[in-house]
Amino acid sequence: GEDVEQSLFLSVREGDSSVINCTYTDSSSTYLYWYKQEPGAGLQLLTYIFSNMDMKQDQRLTVLLNKKDKHLSLRIADTQTGDSAIYFCAEGYGGATNKLIFGTGTLLAVQP
Amino acid sequence: DSGVTQTPKHLITATGQRVTLRCSPRSGDLSVYWYQQSLDQGLQFLIQYYNGEERAKGNILERFSAQQFPDLHSELNLSSLELGDSALYFCASGGGAEQPQHFGDGTRLSIL
Repeated sequence: GEDVEQSLFLSVREGDSSVINCTYTDSSSTYLYWYKQEPGAGLQLLTYIFSNMDMKQDQRLTVLLNKKDKHLSLRIADTQTGDSAIYFCAEGYGGATNKLIFGTGTLLAVQP
Repeated sequence: DSGVTQTPKHLITATGQRVTLRCSPRSGDLSVYWYQQSLDQGLQFLIQYYNGEERAKGNILERFSAQQFPDLHSELNLSSLELGDSALYFCASGGGAEQPQHFGDGTRLSIL
């Protein structure tokens, strides 16, 4: 089945690292994505990882994928107040459709 | 700016009415996806079109329909509106099966 879960809330201090976790159930996904949604705004693509990779780094963002445990994480280094937002992980299936199955979203609050 | 344009930004209407949401994909993208974001259901995939043809269907109600035109813009039609249809409707576009989806800013629909 298709089910993607995330913890609801994470609070960190400015300058610390943030780690947002995601678990999924369907192992047939081809890509896994992280999107950011600021209040009143749309979904901004942050990064994505192919399912046969373990890690991807992109500036302050590090994505780790444990395919055996179906666990995905997003680490944000040196978290800033501007990083405060809701973060969604999503599974994509590639192939003809590539529809996305989204997690519930994690609200990241960065304290100054 | 994702390059995906959605209009209108806000829609306020009454129960029983019909509305049309419009989406222009990024230049060169052939796929258009529609998603609904609500408090109780989260982000859900509705439907995908690829180069004018329906490619995949998700949790889309029979009262809802969509189409993609020869210039690749898409419209989502919502009819016999109910209070529960109040939500943020997102359009995303993608270049192909292995390409990530980029989202518009959404249309916020409020049913009174």
